[in-house]
Amino acid sequence: AQSVTQLGSHVSVSEGALVLLRCNYSSSVPPYLFWYVQYPNQGLQLLLKYTTGATLVKGINGFEAEFKKSETSFHLTKPSAHMSDAAEYFCAVSELAKLTFGTGTRLTIIP
Amino acid sequence: DGGITQSPKYLFRKEGQNVTLSCEQNLNHDAMYWYRQDPGQGLRLIYYSQIVNDFQKGDIAEGYSVSREKKESFPLTVTSAQKNPTAFYLCASGRGVNTEAFFGQGTRLTVV
Repeated sequence: AQSVTQLGSHVSVSEGALVLLRCNYSSSVPPYLFWYVQYPNQGLQLLLKYTTGATLVKGINGFEAEFKKSETSFHLTKPSAHMSDAAEYFCAVSELAKLTFGTGTRLTIIP
Repeated sequence: DGGITQSPKYLFRKEGQNVTLSCEQNLNHDAMYWYRQDPGQGLRLIYYSQIVNDFQKGDIAEGYSVSREKKESFPLTVTSAQKNPTAFYLCASGRGVNTEAFFGQGTRLTVV
């Protein structure tokens, strides 16, 4: 069965600093991977996705993620944090019909 | 506007009562999902459906029931058998296997 582990339930970075949110996955088949963002009391919005092909994936709001099969990782990065990036971020893996989420990382931006 | 509509946004029910959460989509998606979100536990899959008149249990189906009589609709009933129903419930839809899901705005259920 597939699973997702997000290291660090809370991450704080200064405004303008690099954002790095970690995600490791387990899947018995080639994975389809996603990052979502959630603002308080709202649904989830897709940031980016990896299906096949290029391992560096660019998403919305300046985020990108790199699929590393050897490390079973799909870490999310952004070169320069903005106050509006404060939210909760979820990594997810799809195996056939089932989409499984990690427990989330709450990102705080320090002014 | 295309999208997923969950209603109501907030719902209060007495303990022991069944309650039904609505989810409608006009994206012409085949797949629909229900997730439960609790603080620190991420999203846990309750039920999912890939096609009309068919659905599968997710990881935490006990105490919940669903139906998929129309492509656009996937209502979730929280029954009195669910021991701890207070949570944030999210409905999603997608084009099918190995594709992303699109989410509604959620329903916050509080049982008193």
